[in-house]
Order: sequence, then C-alpha cells, then structure tokens
Amino acid sequence: GENVEQHPSTLSVQEGDSAVIKCTYSDSASNYFPWYKQELGKRPQLIIDIRSNVGEKKDQRIAVTLNKTAKHFSLHITETQPEDSAVYFCAASTDGGSQGNLIFGKGTKLSVKP
Amino acid sequence: KAGVTQTPRYLIKTRGQQVTLSCSPISGHRSVSWYQQTPGQGLQFLFEYFSETQRNKGNFPGRFSGRQFSNSRSEMNVSTLELGDSALYLCASSLRRNTEAFFGQGTRLTVV
Repeated sequence: GENVEQHPSTLSVQEGDSAVIKCTYSDSASNYFPWYKQELGKRPQLIIDIRSNVGEKKDQRIAVTLNKTAKHFSLHITETQPEDSAVYFCAASTDGGSQGNLIFGKGTKLSVKP
Repeated sequence: KAGVTQTPRYLIKTRGQQVTLSCSPISGHRSVSWYQQTPGQGLQFLFEYFSETQRNKGNFPGRFSGRQFSNSRSEMNVSTLELGDSALYLCASSLRRNTEAFFGQGTRLTVV
C-alpha cells in the first residue's frame, strides 16, 4: 500500500523567511496530493492540493510542487507570519482501487518566530 | 452549510470496555473516513466508507470496527479498550475520492 514520508518533523523560522516541507510517496498510482494545516486544538483544514497532471500550483504565499518521476512533492510558504505556526500534513491518494483513501505523512510542526 | 459533526467530544473509558463514536458528514457527502491521531504518529487511516459500504480498512486490529448508515452518518466502535487506544479520533467527509476532505473536531478518547 501507499506510504508517505514527511520531513522535517519540526521547522523553526524567523518571521518573513520561507519554509519548505518535503514529502515522498511510494505508490506511483497516486494522483492527488493535498496539504492540511492543523492549528493547536483545531481540526485539520485543507490549504492547497495538487493533481498529478500539474507540476506546480500557487495560492498567494503558498505553493506546492510535484515531481512524479522522483515521487516527491513539497510545500513552500513564503513571507512567513506567526499565524502560519501550526502542524502541516501532506497526503497522497489514488482515484480508485483498494487504496483510494488519503494516506498522511506524520506531520511537520512549523514555528514562526516574530 | 453545517460542517462535519462528531460526538461525543470527550470520552473517558476503562480498559476492557467498549466505545462507540459517531460522525455526521456534511449534507450531500457520501464518503466518510476515520483517522486516529496520536502525538508523533500523525493521522493513521482506520476506515473508508461510501454509500454504506466499507471500501478500505487500515492496519488496525479487529477490535476496531465501523459502519455507515443510509443517511451517510457513520459510527466506529472499539471493543476491549487498551491504554494504547487513547487518541484523538477524527472523521472526514468528502463528495468523492480525491476531493477535499472536511474534518470534524474529533473525539478525544482517554482509556484509564
């Protein structure tokens, strides 16, 4: 089945710096890659997603890149702000078959210092 | 539109007991998945249901079971509780696979 590895597990940056979180996946059939943000005591919420027919997607200060050949995808946050502090989870899934559910990485705790 | 609702929010149970958790998805969503969240382990997949059918099951012992009703509401049951079952249990609903999954606020289960 699918396995998703996420690095680093913790990341500390100064306000205004960029943050990059990387994930690798094992199942070449995976074609949907969402990123979720979970603030302390709250539910995970989708911040951006990408499908396998796209190499990069941007939404204001957030971007995700996908390298299907290498089976890895990354989240980039520019001009970080204290409110970006949270745990970020990457995930992968396929459109069908027996492993169509989302498989998550173990998360990255991002701390943005003012 | 109401979000995903999980009940109860908190539970304290004794080892050996059983527990049932409930999840009401967003109206119109027929896909419901359950996850166990523990510190350091992230979100571990438990079950996936669609139109009352279990489509997939994660690597958890048979003590963990679930079901989905005709109104898409879902329940999960854990029998013979162990201390290691203490966790936040999250359910998520979506229109279909590979679309945004909306999470409930979770049920915090503590086994003593």
